[in-house]
Amino acid sequence: AQTVTQSQPEMSVQEAETVTLSCTYDTSESDYYLFWYKQPPSRQMILVIRQEAYKQQNATENRFSVNFQKAAKSFSLKISDSQLGDAAMYFCAYRTNRDDKIIFGKGTRLHILP
Amino acid sequence: DAMVIQNPRYQVTQFGKPVTLSCSQTLNHNVMYWYQQKSSQAPKLLFHYYDKDFNNEADTPDNFQSRRPNTSFCFLDIRSPGLGDAAMYLCAASSGRNIQYFGAGTRLSVL
Repeated sequence: AQTVTQSQPEMSVQEAETVTLSCTYDTSESDYYLFWYKQPPSRQMILVIRQEAYKQQNATENRFSVNFQKAAKSFSLKISDSQLGDAAMYFCAYRTNRDDKIIFGKGTRLHILP
Repeated sequence: DAMVIQNPRYQVTQFGKPVTLSCSQTLNHNVMYWYQQKSSQAPKLLFHYYDKDFNNEADTPDNFQSRRPNTSFCFLDIRSPGLGDAAMYLCAASSGRNIQYFGAGTRLSVL
């Protein structure tokens, strides 16, 4: 069974600094997608970034980038130049190419310190 | 512009009194999902529709039902809410096996 593990329940970072959120997953599939979702205190879940497993190049979206290590089954999220608006719960998620469902990790609550 | 819209944002019901939560989408996506999310936890998938095909999760209680009368709308019916059903309920839509777009959620309180 596929699982997604986020080992950091909470993290804090100083504003303008860089922070990395960890995620590992377990799967026997070769074709899948990985996502980072952000859920601010207002609770609407929004997609931050996604990575197709067949792509070797790490995805980047402005200040957000991932470090995708397929062999190690690791998918960390790096947030550069942290801003107060980045404070949220971040969920790592996984989906195979054969299924409509995504599997979420338990989340990491990120605090931004002014 | 909101793409997945959930109404109401806050819903209060009484123990055992049926309640319906609504979700609509302007994306014309063929898959819609209902999740239950309790405080500081990951969303838990209750069921999803692929077009009109209903897919129930094995551990979703019978107390939870769903209807999808057309592509745009999907409803979550809780037949006899218990105190343990108080949670945030999230609706999402996706185009096949693609990105899921979430609504803002409905927070359900059970008195």
